[in-house]
Amino acid sequence: EDQVTQSPEALRLQEGESSSLNCSYTVSGLRGLFWYRQDPGKGPEFLFTLYSAGEEKEKERLKATLTKKESFLHITAPKPEDSATYLCAVRSNFGNEKLTFGTGTRLTIIP
Amino acid sequence: DTAVSQTPKYLVTQMGNDKSIKCEQNLGHDTMYWYKQDSKKFLKIMFSYNNKELIINETVPNRFSPKSPDKAHLNLHINSLELGDSAVYFCASSFRADEQYFGPGTRLTVT
Repeated sequence: EDQVTQSPEALRLQEGESSSLNCSYTVSGLRGLFWYRQDPGKGPEFLFTLYSAGEEKEKERLKATLTKKESFLHITAPKPEDSATYLCAVRSNFGNEKLTFGTGTRLTIIP
Repeated sequence: DTAVSQTPKYLVTQMGNDKSIKCEQNLGHDTMYWYKQDSKKFLKIMFSYNNKELIINETVPNRFSPKSPDKAHLNLHINSLELGDSAVYFCASSFRADEQYFGPGTRLTVT
């Protein structure tokens, strides 16, 4: 069965302090790895899709990278508005088309 | 215009009642989903429909019944509500199983 583990559970950073969130996964044939952002009381918001090891994607202060076993979401010089829960999910090449989510990393940026 | 909308946003009801949640998407997507997010924020797939055909049916009590009258709508009916059904339910949609776009969620509280 597909599994996704995210670490750390929670992370507090000072504004401008760069860091990385980790997403480790096991899947029988990766079709795609997805990053989402979720604000309190709202639905997850799509950020990135990564398809193969070595791929990188960037959006503003966020950069997502992918290896064969894990993905990192790097956040550079974060601002308070980057505070949110970041969710990682995988889709397998086999079986149905469901996404398997991790439990997320709750990121807090302190001004 | 909202891409994926759900009604109601909040639902408070007593054990044993029957309730429905409605979802509509205006993105022209061909696949729609229902997810349950528990108190620990874990997001788990329940059902998925592609062009009105059920393609994902995870281990969900048969008190939960999805209905898709057309490609743009996916409703969730829940019979004989139990305390453990309290959660936030998210609808999502995608095109050809690519990245999914989520609605704002329906917070269900069973008392």
